[in-house]
Amino acid sequence: QKEVEQNSGPLSVPEGAIASLNCTYSDRVSQSFFWYRQYSGKSPELIMSIYSNGDKEDGRFTAQLNKASQYVSLLIRDSQPSDSATYLCAVGESQGNLIFGKGTKLSVKP
Amino acid sequence: GAVVSQHPSWVICKSGTSVKIECRSLDFQATTMFWYRQFPKQSLMLMATSNEGSKATYEQGVEKDKFLINHASLTLSTLTVTSAHPEDSSFYICSAEQAGDPGELFFGEGSRLTVL
Repeated sequence: QKEVEQNSGPLSVPEGAIASLNCTYSDRVSQSFFWYRQYSGKSPELIMSIYSNGDKEDGRFTAQLNKASQYVSLLIRDSQPSDSATYLCAVGESQGNLIFGKGTKLSVKP
Repeated sequence: GAVVSQHPSWVICKSGTSVKIECRSLDFQATTMFWYRQFPKQSLMLMATSNEGSKATYEQGVEKDKFLINHASLTLSTLTVTSAHPEDSSFYICSAEQAGDPGELFFGEGSRLTVL
């Protein structure tokens, strides 16, 4: 059974701080990794994708991947109250679908 | 980014009726679409993979005769919940993969089904 694990949170950070979200996965051969943001009652939206070890930066977001440790993380710099949402880590399967973690709820306090 | 539209966004129906949900890729062709279900405070659970022109592939535990999936064109997939019951009440979300971006799924807005 392939699994994607996330701390459910809630993770609470003050406005302007760095939020760090972590995810581990069980399938060692996984090659594609994604972070989605989901606001309450809404559909997920893609934030970042990462395929290679190391860091990938996009604006305030940085995804980090370590395949040896089967670990992927998302850093949000200068966190804003509008970043408050559930962040879903997803791992791609060979058939094209994704396995999602249960999500980490982030709360950014003004 | 690519746009996926889902309709209806919410529906309330009586127990025993059937409900059809449409998922359209508006500005790209999607040979594969995915249907997920999400219960409150739970993550997305894949129900089935919908392939254009062929039968859908259902995940273990998902009844194919209850959740009918049709993917008749490269831009449209439908999910029909037949003989719906209150336990089928959930948030149903479709997603599509854009060619050239493997694994980057674009989600529809979701359809919230409430069965009375």
